[in-house]
Amino acid sequence: NAGVTQTPKFQVLKTGQSMTLQCAQDMNHNSMYWYRQDPGMGLRLIYYSASEGTTDKGEVPNGYNVSRLNKREFSLRLESAAPSQTSVYFCASSYPGQGIGYTFGSGTRLTVV
Amino acid sequence: DQQVKQNSPSLSVQEGRISILNCDYTNSMFDYFLWYKKYPAEGPTFLISISSIKDKNEDGRFTVFLNKSAKHLSLHIVPSQPGDSAVYFCAASAGGGSYIPTFGRGTSLIVHP
Repeated sequence: NAGVTQTPKFQVLKTGQSMTLQCAQDMNHNSMYWYRQDPGMGLRLIYYSASEGTTDKGEVPNGYNVSRLNKREFSLRLESAAPSQTSVYFCASSYPGQGIGYTFGSGTRLTVV
Repeated sequence: DQQVKQNSPSLSVQEGRISILNCDYTNSMFDYFLWYKKYPAEGPTFLISISSIKDKNEDGRFTVFLNKSAKHLSLHIVPSQPGDSAVYFCAASAGGGSYIPTFGRGTSLIVHP
């Protein structure tokens, strides 16, 4: 099925551990995004990639790194996880300049203990 | 400072009645507005949008109203159905929707049978 695929769906990390969240889209979208959703905080943009080969910081980039591996894949890395990074992470993709064209993945629920 | 505000964290409505979800914004550069719907354990999905050149947009049971002078928009769902129970995010974008949207914190709608 066409869409945005995120792996893993669930993850528990110990403080200080590292991990990479994977995201892939098969809609030939140019732009990809990583958001986090926290209770009462809505969706906050972590990083985005307007096109292959470019990445930019969003609202809450501290503690994260990203890699736009190719047009399909955009990964989010936590180098040293902290409890404050406990959240639900959503990847999304779109054509550039299309706020209505966002397609979201189903999310990764991350708990850092 | 929140640029997009959804002041009601939750709303409870009886099936068949009207649901009205409200959203306020502060940035006068915003000229394109969107509503996304999110079910538990799923990613948000696009619901309806409106450009600032309009004051109303309808799509079936869903209507969005925009009051530019008050910097206020609302989503009306008529009639409400139990399947509408979800979290609704308001989002605003500049540049006619070409800029990455800013999301509100969401309103949880519960429609009782």
